[in-house]
Formats: sequence, C-alpha cells, structure tokens
Amino acid sequence: GNSVTQMEGPVTLSEEAFLTINCTYTATGYPSLFWYVQYPGEGLQLLLKATKADDKGSNKGFEATYRKETTSFHLEKGSVQVSDSAVYFCALSSSGGSYIPTFGRGTSLIVHP
Amino acid sequence: AAGVIQSPRHLIKEKRETATLKCYPIPRHDTVYWYQQGPGQDPQFLISFYEKMQSDKGSIPDRFSAQQFSDYHSELNMSSLELGDSALYFCASSLLPGRKNTGELFFGEGSRLTVL
Repeated sequence: GNSVTQMEGPVTLSEEAFLTINCTYTATGYPSLFWYVQYPGEGLQLLLKATKADDKGSNKGFEATYRKETTSFHLEKGSVQVSDSAVYFCALSSSGGSYIPTFGRGTSLIVHP
Repeated sequence: AAGVIQSPRHLIKEKRETATLKCYPIPRHDTVYWYQQGPGQDPQFLISFYEKMQSDKGSIPDRFSAQQFSDYHSELNMSSLELGDSALYFCASSLLPGRKNTGELFFGEGSRLTVL
C-alpha cells in the first residue's frame, strides 16, 4: 500500500535560516507528490506538487524535487520567515490507491524572529 | 474564488449523542472527501463520493455514515459519539482524480468536534 514518512517536528528555526523537511514515500503505480501547509486554525492548502520523476514543484520560495531513485520529496526553502510557521504535510496520490491522497504525519515548523 | 464551505466550525456534544457535519464543495467539483484529523495526527481518510455515489471508503467507523446530495453538498452523520471522536473533520473537493486531476484536493477550514 501507499505510505508517507516525514521527519518529526517541531522544527525550530530563526528567521532567514535554511529549511529542509524530509519526506520519503512508498507507493504502487506512479504517484504524484504534494506538499500541503496548514496554518493555525485553518484547513490544508496545497503548497506545491510534482507529478513525475525529476519534476520540481515550487511556490512562495519553497521547492521540492521528485526523486524516484530515492523515493523522496524533501521540502526546502532558502530563507524562512516568521509567517512560514505552520504544519507541513507531505502527501502522495497514485492509481494504486484509487488516487485517494495519503498523508504523512505532518511536521510543525516554528520560526522565531 | 469560492472555496469549500464547512459547517458548523465548532461543535460540542456529549457522549452517545449524534452530530451532523455539512460540506459544500467548490462549484463544478464532482468529488467530495471526508478526513478526520486527531490532535497532532495526520488526516485520516474516511470516505469519498463521486457524482453522489460513494466511491471509496477508508477508516470510517460503522457509527458514521455520509451521503452526497443532488446539489453536491455532503453530510457526515456521526452517532453514539465517543470521546475518541473528538477531532477536526475536514471536507475536501476536487475533480475526479485521474481525469483532469492528479490528486490535488481543496480543503475546507474544518469542523472541530469536541465530545465531552
């Protein structure tokens, strides 16, 4: 079956620091990969996605590259801001799971001024 | 742009009571999903509907049921509530995955259920 493993949080950084949140996956078929972000008190929002190997998704300074050889989709940002504080979920969707997205457990990011 | 609307946003119930959550998907989206997110947990898929028919079933308890109506809104009915049902319940909508959608979901802000 499909599964997603994320690094445990919380990740605590100072403003302008470099961010990496690791995500690895197991999937049947050819999955699409996603990062969702959940700000306090809100629902999940799609941050970025990649639909095939070697694709790079990017949005709001965040990037993630679909690495089929390492089954990874790590989230990176060169310089985080306080407003990036949120919970980040890695997810995948594949035909092997009827396209129902499978989520990781989420990684809380706390950015201090 | 219109988003997914959920109601109520907050709900407090006693054990063994019933609760109903409502979801209004984005216009023209034909698929609705329900997820349950416990404190500090990842969202767990409960059930989904495509064109008013149940399409997939996840870890939805037998005490819960759901349906999608002719106007595409969906309701999640929960009976014999237990303390462990306290969670954030998300509804999401999309176009049917695999056709024009690679699995991207649009989520509502969630309904927080507290069972006392």
